[in-house]
Amino acid sequence: GQNIDQPTEMTATEGAIVQINCTYQTSGFNGLFWYQQHAGEAPTFLSYNVLDGLEEKGRFSSFLSRSKGYSYLLLKELQMKDSASYLCAVSRYGGATNKLIFGTGTLLAVQP
Amino acid sequence: EAGVTQFPSHSVIEKGQTVTLRCDPISGHDNLYWYRRVMGKEIKFLLHFVKESKQDESGMPNNRFLAERTGGTYSTLKVQPAELEDSGVYFCASSHPQGTTGTQYFGPGTRLLVL
Repeated sequence: GQNIDQPTEMTATEGAIVQINCTYQTSGFNGLFWYQQHAGEAPTFLSYNVLDGLEEKGRFSSFLSRSKGYSYLLLKELQMKDSASYLCAVSRYGGATNKLIFGTGTLLAVQP
Repeated sequence: EAGVTQFPSHSVIEKGQTVTLRCDPISGHDNLYWYRRVMGKEIKFLLHFVKESKQDESGMPNNRFLAERTGGTYSTLKVQPAELEDSGVYFCASSHPQGTTGTQYFGPGTRLLVL
């Protein structure tokens, strides 16, 4: 079967670092995406990992371990605007389709 | 460059009525996807178009849902007749045709409420 697990909610302080974990089980793994979604808005692409290791992009980094079925999103120097839902999504290849399998999302609240 | 757009942003209809949702993908994106998020649940895949062809419609809930993409540009998703459990947010996403790992860019969604 397919299963994506991530914490439902997290709270962090402005200026701090927060790590959002995601574990997955799926067949046809073809990479893992992280999206940011503010309430009422479109999910916005943050990062993509297909090989093991860390991908860094400014204040955001994402890590993948395929053997462990594990990823995390690291947010540094937190800002109030980072308060949002963070969606972990596994790209699953089947036929000619790359469908995304989503977790339920982690709602991050950044406090002053 | 314009992003993925969806219309309407909100729709409130009564059970048994018909609703048609529209998605305009990013220009040049051959891949178009529909997803749905029911309250309290994760976003789930509905179907995938490559140009005007349905590549995978394994996520479509039942035959009350009909998706089209005539001409390979915009797509419509019609629900007829709508049921209470169809309420949720319907997202559209598009990706560049090159490669199989193209990032999917999402629209803001259509919030459907069936009363």
